[in-house]
Amino acid sequence: QKEVEQDPGPLSVPEGAIVSLNCTYSNSAFQYFMWYRQYSRKGPELLMYTYSSGNKEDGRFTAQVDKSSKYISLFIRDSQPSDSATYLCAMSASNFGNEKLTFGTGTRLTIIP
Amino acid sequence: EPEVTQTPSHQVTQMGQEVILRCVPISNHLYFYWYRQILGQKVEFLVSFYNNEISEKSEIFDDQFSVERPDGSNFTLKIRSTKLEDSAMYFCASSDFGSGQETQYFGPGTRLLVL
Repeated sequence: QKEVEQDPGPLSVPEGAIVSLNCTYSNSAFQYFMWYRQYSRKGPELLMYTYSSGNKEDGRFTAQVDKSSKYISLFIRDSQPSDSATYLCAMSASNFGNEKLTFGTGTRLTIIP
Repeated sequence: EPEVTQTPSHQVTQMGQEVILRCVPISNHLYFYWYRQILGQKVEFLVSFYNNEISEKSEIFDDQFSVERPDGSNFTLKIRSTKLEDSAMYFCASSDFGSGQETQYFGPGTRLLVL
């Protein structure tokens, strides 16, 4: 079993739709969960950062973490064409400065105008 | 907004040649990382660096790789003798500790092509 698995996509939705992106993980030591957005041939850009279980909202984005199920989600409301990108989940066991991130493979999202 | 920068953006080299990839982390950050992403694959951790020492390295980071912070601003990744399979996007990242959001900020990447 891979340490982090991410729904592969690609995913295409019409503008204005709600998008749900998901990852599962196997390592119960993971405590910190991140979503990054990556445009083609660019570096990952941090979108959301959460600790342990629960929800976090930032504008049109909501991150959910369910540690009991080892499942994390990112919801995008009122999706825009500019949201078209690859979304990467990432996680780590601690927030000490030198902790490595483990990434999912990414979901390519296209918002259709 | 502060950002991580990387040079060059693209590098083409011949197999067996040495390459040095350069990064300027965010100025008040103390922890530095290199990751790579082979085309179509996931982002993979290579090495973390703190206080002028390697903190952790992955099994990818073999003796052909080295990292250095030659001055107060730059952080470099050297590949001594490049192989075809080193072709990838290399990302530098940096992070702070004690800021309340201790996660990593990535640079735009260097695309390395080994021929």
